Amino acid sequence: AQSVTQPDARVTVSEGASLQLRCKYSYSGTPYLFWYVQYPRQGLQLLLKYYSGDPVVQGVNGFEAEFIKSNSSFHLRKASVHWSDSAVYFCAVRWYNQGKLIFGQGTKLSIKP
Amino acid sequence: EAAVTQSPRNKVTVTGGNVTLSCRQTNSHNYMYWYRQDTGHGLRLIHYSYGAGNLQIGDVPDGYKATRTTQEDFFLLLELASPSQTSLYFCASRTRDWGGAEQFFGPGTRLTVL
Repeated sequence: AQSVTQPDARVTVSEGASLQLRCKYSYSGTPYLFWYVQYPRQGLQLLLKYYSGDPVVQGVNGFEAEFIKSNSSFHLRKASVHWSDSAVYFCAVRWYNQGKLIFGQGTKLSIKP
Repeated sequence: EAAVTQSPRNKVTVTGGNVTLSCRQTNSHNYMYWYRQDTGHGLRLIHYSYGAGNLQIGDVPDGYKATRTTQEDFFLLLELASPSQTSLYFCASRTRDWGGAEQFFGPGTRLTVL
């Protein structure tokens, strides 16, 4: 069955530190990959997406993600986090020729001052 | 910027009550979706639609009906609400032109079933 796993429900990092949020998916086939962010009391906003080409994609606010096909992973990274990055981050996958997007469970990011 | 609106933003009802959640998009998108968000589960797809009059079953459809009356409007119906349906509900839309297209989300409706 198709699934998306974010193994870390909560991550806490210090302001200015680097960040990696993990995402793995299971299923063969061609995936479209997304990272969304949800700030408190808001809907979801797109951070970045990948469908082909350079496996490292750049998003908004200094975020990037790397698609590693051999590992079925699409981890999100940021070199230096800011307190405003506190939010819930969702990884999502849509497989080719399918109408629906499948979400991971989400990772809540907290930033220590 | 694509726009998706939802109403009401908050709703409280009692067990057994009828509830209708509304979603409107002005993006001329073909696809519309209803999700529920619960801690530990992320977003789970309830129903979705490819266009007016079309309905597709999602991953957690039990207890929910949906109807797509126009290109713009997608409704989620809870005819006998239960406390297990207390959740945050999101509507989303996207163009069908390309599978990698972004989904645009509404602000959410918080539903409490007492």
